[in-house]
Amino acid sequence: GENVEQHPSTLSVQEGDSAVIKCTYSDSASNYFPWYKQELGKGPQLIIDIRSNVGEKKDQRIAVTLNKTAKHFSLHITETQPEDSAVYFCAALHSGGGADGLTFGKGTHLIIQP
Amino acid sequence: EAGVTQFPSHSVIEKGQTVTLRCDPISGHDNLYWYRRVMGKEIKFLLHFVKESKQDESGMPNNRFLAERTGGTYSTLKVQPAELEDSGVYFCASSPRQGSGNTIYFGEGSWLTVV
Repeated sequence: GENVEQHPSTLSVQEGDSAVIKCTYSDSASNYFPWYKQELGKGPQLIIDIRSNVGEKKDQRIAVTLNKTAKHFSLHITETQPEDSAVYFCAALHSGGGADGLTFGKGTHLIIQP
Repeated sequence: EAGVTQFPSHSVIEKGQTVTLRCDPISGHDNLYWYRRVMGKEIKFLLHFVKESKQDESGMPNNRFLAERTGGTYSTLKVQPAELEDSGVYFCASSPRQGSGNTIYFGEGSWLTVV
């Protein structure tokens, strides 16, 4: 089955700096890679996703890059703000494959220092 | 438009008791998923409904867990009898009909504590 590794487990950055979270996956058939943000006491909220036919996607201060050859994808947050503090999860899915569930990484606790 | 809603938000039960969690997906979403996160671990897939049919239940940990989605609308997840290791947060998620992009929306979770 799919295995997703996520690093780092904790990331502390100064407000205004950039943050990068990296994930690797094992199943070359995976073709959908979402990123979720989870704030304390709340459920995961989709912030950006990328499909395997695209190498990069950007939405304002958030971008995701995908390297299919190396089987890794990354989340980039620029000009970080205090409200970006949360736990971020990457996930992978083989859409159309036999398994229907997202495989998640273990999460990154992002701390924005004022 | 209402998001995925889950009930109860928090539950504390004794070992051996039964708990039933409910999920109302986003209106019109055929796909409904259950996930859970136990302390310190990653979020793990439990099962997937397409309308009222179980499409994939490969993630269900054992036969103490029973999920239903009668009528293809809301779903319930029953844990009977509950064990200490069942403590964690149970997330429900939904997405539109397959082929619509796979964007999966999560509820806020049902936080279960078994004592």
